[in-house]
Amino acid sequence: DIQMTQSPSTLSASVGDRVTITCRASQSIRPWLAWYQQKPGKAPKLLIYSASSLESGVPSRFSGSGSGTEFTLTISSLQPDDFATYCCQQYDTYPLTFGGGTKVEIE
Amino acid sequence: QVQLQQWGAGLLKPSETLSLTCAVYGGSFSAYYWSWIRQPPGKGLEWLGEISHGGVTKYNPSLKSRVTISVDTSKNQFSLRLRSVTAADTAVYYCAREGSHSRFVVSWGRGTLVTVSS
Repeated sequence: DIQMTQSPSTLSASVGDRVTITCRASQSIRPWLAWYQQKPGKAPKLLIYSASSLESGVPSRFSGSGSGTEFTLTISSLQPDDFATYCCQQYDTYPLTFGGGTKVEIE
Repeated sequence: QVQLQQWGAGLLKPSETLSLTCAVYGGSFSAYYWSWIRQPPGKGLEWLGEISHGGVTKYNPSLKSRVTISVDTSKNQFSLRLRSVTAADTAVYYCAREGSHSRFVVSWGRGTLVTVSS
């Protein structure tokens, strides 16, 4: 299985901060990576697919980059609604696998 | 806008079979792959498997043949069965819709907490 490793596991930030989360794959997954946002008690929500494509309706402050084994999710200016857990998912190879998540907390 | 409505038993004893069903409302049922994903309390997401409208399945090998996903195209529903459950299977189970050509998840059900306890 392809292992997805996210860092950091927890991130403390303030409203207005620029935030970057990293996801590393144990082998190349080309651009086949998605990012999700999850709030407590809710299902995840798709933010980014194909490493850098913004899902319809997702604010433009979210962006993704990377290819191969290293990827980043950036929030350009953190908003109150953005405090949540973010996880990555590779869909290059079965079984589909997810990263362990990064919790973005209020500093 | 597609909606996924899921249901099934929320409390099981060890060795029993977990059974969940997901109904799809709106959008095309035949154009996509449909999957089950779970999340143990406080942990990350685990993909269990997927099924196409035509019944083609892919499973996570980690479940060691305990899992079966089936589809009922007449009702636009798909189902999960997980045999011989243990406490390690305690999780929120989500049904989900993948992309038509790519296996990221576009839509999610609300999730069902399944607890395995004697």
